Amino acid sequence: LAKTTQPISMDSYEGQEVNITCSHNNIATNDYITWYQQFPSQGPRFIIQGYKTKVTNEVASLFIPADRKSSTLSLPRVSLSDTAVYYCLVGRMDSSYKLIFGSGTRLLVRP
Amino acid sequence: DGGITQSPKYLFRKEGQNVTLSCEQNLNHDAMYWYRQDPGQGLRLIYYSQIVNDFQKGDIAEGYSVSREKKESFPLTVTSAQKNPTAFYLCASSIVASGGYNEQFFGPGTRLTVL
Repeated sequence: LAKTTQPISMDSYEGQEVNITCSHNNIATNDYITWYQQFPSQGPRFIIQGYKTKVTNEVASLFIPADRKSSTLSLPRVSLSDTAVYYCLVGRMDSSYKLIFGSGTRLLVRP
Repeated sequence: DGGITQSPKYLFRKEGQNVTLSCEQNLNHDAMYWYRQDPGQGLRLIYYSQIVNDFQKGDIAEGYSVSREKKESFPLTVTSAQKNPTAFYLCASSIVASGGYNEQFFGPGTRLTVL
């Protein structure tokens, strides 16, 4: 299972774009890259998923370079409510599949 | 409303007692999961089940037990054998589709405190 490395914490201000990079050097050919968001005392919530190049949805973009050894979650114009922990996960669903949540990146958005 | 429910939200237990945490989903998902989260840490997988009457151990299954008698329900029992049961417990579910990654939907969690 591919291990991921991401910054422990990041600070930002309202209205700024935030980019959180995740390293996954041992990613396998069939692995997808997925990001979850977690607020205190709540379950994580799916944000975005991708396999290669760029994926965009209504809340975020995910940039994946050609070698797929890293990925960057981009949050445009963050607000105070984006303060949360963000987890980068790598894996696929099969009979032995297990999600591995690291410690995540704690994003603090300041006024 | 479709979703996952966990009960109770807060649970207190005396040392040496077994306790069962409830997890129910009406999303028609085949797969269900139990995670444990300690303060400031990520989630760790306890057990998961991809089909009724079948389940597999995760990374930290010791001291826990589960059952999957119905598709909608996946209760977790924290036994007295679990040395440090105080934690935040999260249940999740997903579809099972081959060849890809499937989003997991999480419940609101149960915070267990052992007194």
